[in-house]
Amino acid sequence: AQSVTQLGSHVSVSEGALVLLRCNYSSSVPPYLFWYVQYPNQGLQLLLKYTSAATLVKGINGFEAEFKKSETSFHLTKPSAHMSDAAEYFCAVRRSGNTPLVFGKGTRLSVIA
Amino acid sequence: IAGITQAPTSQILAAGRRMTLRCTQDMRHNAMYWYRQDLGLGLRLIHYSNTAGTTGKGEVPDGYSVSRANTDDFPLTLASAVPSQTSVYFCASSDTRETGELFFGEGSRLTVL
Repeated sequence: AQSVTQLGSHVSVSEGALVLLRCNYSSSVPPYLFWYVQYPNQGLQLLLKYTSAATLVKGINGFEAEFKKSETSFHLTKPSAHMSDAAEYFCAVRRSGNTPLVFGKGTRLSVIA
Repeated sequence: IAGITQAPTSQILAAGRRMTLRCTQDMRHNAMYWYRQDLGLGLRLIHYSNTAGTTGKGEVPDGYSVSRANTDDFPLTLASAVPSQTSVYFCASSDTRETGELFFGEGSRLTVL
């Protein structure tokens, strides 16, 4: 069975500091991996996705994530946090195109001025 | 604008009442999903449908039913609502012939008293 673990339910960073949100997955086969962002009172929108092409994936708003098979990780990073990055972030995994996404419990990012 | 429409956006419901949350997509995606979001638990899959005429159970299906009579619509019904079904419900769709990334609606906030 697939699962996703997001380390840290809440991460707080200063404006301009590095953002690192951790995600580890378990999957018996090479997965599809996703990061979604949820702003207050909104639905989820896709930040980026890994689909077995390049291991370093660039997304919207300056975010990127690196797929590391040896570590079963797909951590999300951004070099310099903006106030507008404050949101809930979800990592998700899918074994194949026909199976539903499994989400992590989410990490709330706070950005301090 | 193409996407997913959910209705109602918010509802307060007495326990024991029947409630249907509506979801319509106009992207011609083959698959549709219902998730519930609860604080600290992330998104949990209730039911899904990979194609019109078929449905499947997710992680938390008890107390919920769905139908998929056509490609565009995927209503979620609570036959007899209970307070533990107080949650934010998200409908999503995807094209599983590709990477299967999910597109989400804005959510339906349901309070059962």
